[in-house]
This record gives sequence, C-alpha cells and structure tokens, in this order.
Amino acid sequence: EVQLVESGGGLVQPGRSLKLSCAASGFTFSNYYMAWVRQAPKKGLEWVATISTSGSRTYYPDSVKGRFTISRDNAKSSLYLQMNSLKSEDTATYYCARHENYYDGTYYYGYWYFDFWGPGTMVTVSS
Amino acid sequence: DVLMTQTPVSLPVSLGGQVSISCRSSQSLVHSDGNTYLHWYLQKPGQSPQLLIYRVSNRFSGVPDRFSGSGSGTDFTLKISRVEPEDLGVYYCLQSTHFPLTFGSGTKLEIK
Repeated sequence: EVQLVESGGGLVQPGRSLKLSCAASGFTFSNYYMAWVRQAPKKGLEWVATISTSGSRTYYPDSVKGRFTISRDNAKSSLYLQMNSLKSEDTATYYCARHENYYDGTYYYGYWYFDFWGPGTMVTVSS
Repeated sequence: DVLMTQTPVSLPVSLGGQVSISCRSSQSLVHSDGNTYLHWYLQKPGQSPQLLIYRVSNRFSGVPDRFSGSGSGTDFTLKISRVEPEDLGVYYCLQSTHFPLTFGSGTKLEIK
C-alpha cells in the first residue's frame, strides 16, 4: 500500500525557515517524480514543487522560486521541502504527492499529475 | 498562468441523481505532443485530494464507472451519475499542459 507521511510543520515567524519531510513507503520511491502541493486554509490547491527521480531536475512556480527548495534522499525514501524567507501567504497545509510514472525502457519519468497524496502537514507563518 | 474556472461553485444534489461539473481554461490545454493534460480530483471532508480522472477521460484505478470525464481544448466536464454519499466533497480540475500547473477553484458537491 502506498503511504506518504509528511512531518515538520508548525508555527514559524515571517522571514524564518522551515524544512518539511515526507516519508514514503509501499512503492519503489526512486522510480517516481515527487511533488509538494499546498492548500491555504479554506482555499484551493497550489502546486509548489516537483523533483525528478534522481533529484537532478526540479521545478517551481514563480510564487516560491528562489525561496523553496525541493530535495530527496532515495536511500531513505524521503522527500523534503526547505522553505526560506517565509511569508504569511505561505500559511497552508502542505501535501506530499507522487507523480504517476512511466518507463521508457531505460528511465522512469513522471506524468504531470499526482496519483497519491499524503495527509498533509500544517504550516502557519505568523508573528 | 493558465486560469482554470470551475462552475458551479456549489452543487446541491439528491442521492442517486446525476450532476455535471464544468472546468474551463484560459488557454487551450492541447499539448504540443498532442495530448490534453486535464485531470480531476475529489477532496472529501478532512482528507487529502484523490485522483479520479486523468488526461480528460481516463478513470484512475478503483474509481467507479459512475464518474466520467470529457471535453477538449478549453472546455471540460466531469459527470457523476447515481450519486452516493461517498461522492460528497470538493472537486478540483488540474491542468498540467502549461507551467505552472494550476488547479481550478473547486466545486462543492453537497446533499440537497
């Protein structure tokens, strides 16, 4: 069974940093692109970051580019999100999500949608 | 960024009934590879989103055939027939043809 469990959320002051973690199990983590998606309280969903299988390629929207860094440790089946220079508008539940993948005979790639999500971890940015 | 507009915002339904949710994009979602990357999710109360439909009309594993997706270009529809209590929640469309990926603002399916 695919499981994604986020941790590391909490209350942080504006301008400070926070690092989120996601522990994956139930699948071969290194074969999948992974992502972070967030949801502000009572609001919709916003894609935050994606990382390739090896970690060599990362993707961000402009809203977080330069402040957030996605990374992974395939040996630990873990995904991370380093968030710097946090703003009040970063307050949200952060979900770890898996991209559905495909194999071309040599490499695994990610389709650009998410087939499994974790339960999320709440981040509150406030003084 | 591609704007995804979902209507209606709220959708009252009787159990056993049929409903349609619309998702319109500000640009065509036809990718240069010929595919259309429009997907549908359901977020049940207190839960994380779950994938229902990918690439317009493909049901994800375990999704009942009461759910169907259709559309092309900029205009897409999710239909739910024989609505059951487990179908209640907020439905979101997601486009991944263009960067950044963007979601619709959601349609809340609730009991009439």
